[in-house]
Amino acid sequence: EVQLVQSGAEVKKPGESLKISCKGSAYRSTSHWIAWVRQMPGKGLEWMGTINLGDSGTRYSPSFQGQVTFSADKSINTAYLQWSSLKASDTAVYYCARLGASGTGDHYGLDVWGQGTTVTVSS
Amino acid sequence: DIVMTQSPDSLAVSLGERATVNCKSSQSILYSSTNKSYLGWYQHKPGQPPKLLIYWASTRESGVPERFSGSGSGTDFTLTISSLQAEDVAVYYCHQYYSSPFTFGPGTEVEIK
Repeated sequence: EVQLVQSGAEVKKPGESLKISCKGSAYRSTSHWIAWVRQMPGKGLEWMGTINLGDSGTRYSPSFQGQVTFSADKSINTAYLQWSSLKASDTAVYYCARLGASGTGDHYGLDVWGQGTTVTVSS
Repeated sequence: DIVMTQSPDSLAVSLGERATVNCKSSQSILYSSTNKSYLGWYQHKPGQPPKLLIYWASTRESGVPERFSGSGSGTDFTLTISSLQAEDVAVYYCHQYYSSPFTFGPGTEVEIK
């Protein structure tokens, strides 16, 4: 079964750094883009951007450019989302998801999702 | 950025009745070379990750019940639940993956009347 497994919940203080992970299994992850999606408490889904596990190419939403960093280690099929200095407003659930692609490379949406990582930033 | 809007914000439907959610994009998300609109619909229940229901505006994802259907092209789209079941209570989001950043609609909450 194709899966994305995310790292566990985190509780941090403002100003601290954090790196969360998303590990793919049972598919050739280097052929897909991994997206990061934020859901703040009581709010909707927000697109943060994507990373290609094959070449670590990234595309950030303008709202998140400079606020977070995507990285990847293709040898272990894992994508990462990191912050250098957390703020209380970073408190949210963060999902990774695979951008599905057909045999011709045509994208068809986010077809596999991680379980979500809850990040709480509080002094 | 392409802005996605949805209507209504919420709706309450009786069990077995039809539920309709509308989605509009601020510009066309129809890719002319494939004649596909790059629009997906997701179901999101509390405590769970979102689930892809529909892609390319009208293609049902494998395993999704037939009561879920999608229609529309270009800028106007609809998700229909033909006969609402108790397990369909959720927030439904549309999502364009035509142009980066791939934006979501604000969501529509579907409840039982």
